[in-house]
Amino acid sequence: AQTVTQSQPEMSVQEAETVTLSCTYDTSESDYYLFWYKQPPSRQMILVIRQEAYKQQNATENRFSVNFQKAAKSFSLKISDSQLGDAAMYFCAYRSAQGAQKLVFGQGTRLTINP
Amino acid sequence: KAGVTQTPRYLIKTRGQQVTLSCSPISGHRSVSWYQQTPGQGLQFLFEYFSETQRNKGNFPGRFSGRQFSNSRSEMNVSTLELGDSALYLCASSLLGTGTYEQYFGPGTRLTVT
Repeated sequence: AQTVTQSQPEMSVQEAETVTLSCTYDTSESDYYLFWYKQPPSRQMILVIRQEAYKQQNATENRFSVNFQKAAKSFSLKISDSQLGDAAMYFCAYRSAQGAQKLVFGQGTRLTINP
Repeated sequence: KAGVTQTPRYLIKTRGQQVTLSCSPISGHRSVSWYQQTPGQGLQFLFEYFSETQRNKGNFPGRFSGRQFSNSRSEMNVSTLELGDSALYLCASSLLGTGTYEQYFGPGTRLTVT
């Protein structure tokens, strides 16, 4: 079974600074997808960024980028120019490329932005 | 396009009762997944439906069941409620059942069992 581990329960960063959230995963599969989701206090899960395992190039979405290290099974999220609206729980998630839409989530990292 | 909707948003039930939660996916989406979120266990996959068929089921007891209708709307049912069933139940829909199709989440149903 696949597992996802987020070793940082909480992180904080000054507004406008850069922060990196860590995520490692365990799988025996070679084809899969990785995601970072954001859950603000409203509880609405929002997709931040996704990475296909077969792509070597790291995904970027505006201020959000990932460092995907397939051999090390590592998938970190970098948030540049942090904004107050970035404050939320961030979840790393894994989904197999085979079959159903089952996401395996990490335990989450609570990110606080200090003004 | 309207997002994923879940009803009701909040629910209070007593131990032993049963409950039905509803999820309406984004128009055109055929895959609906359900997740349970608790402080202790985090986010756990319950099941996924695609074209009215359950394609995958998480490690939950048989008290948890679901179904999907021809219009892709989905319901999940929990029978004989236990205190530990108190959680936020999230529904997510996607256009198709495979590939990198993004899953869109609803706002959740907060279930409290007393």
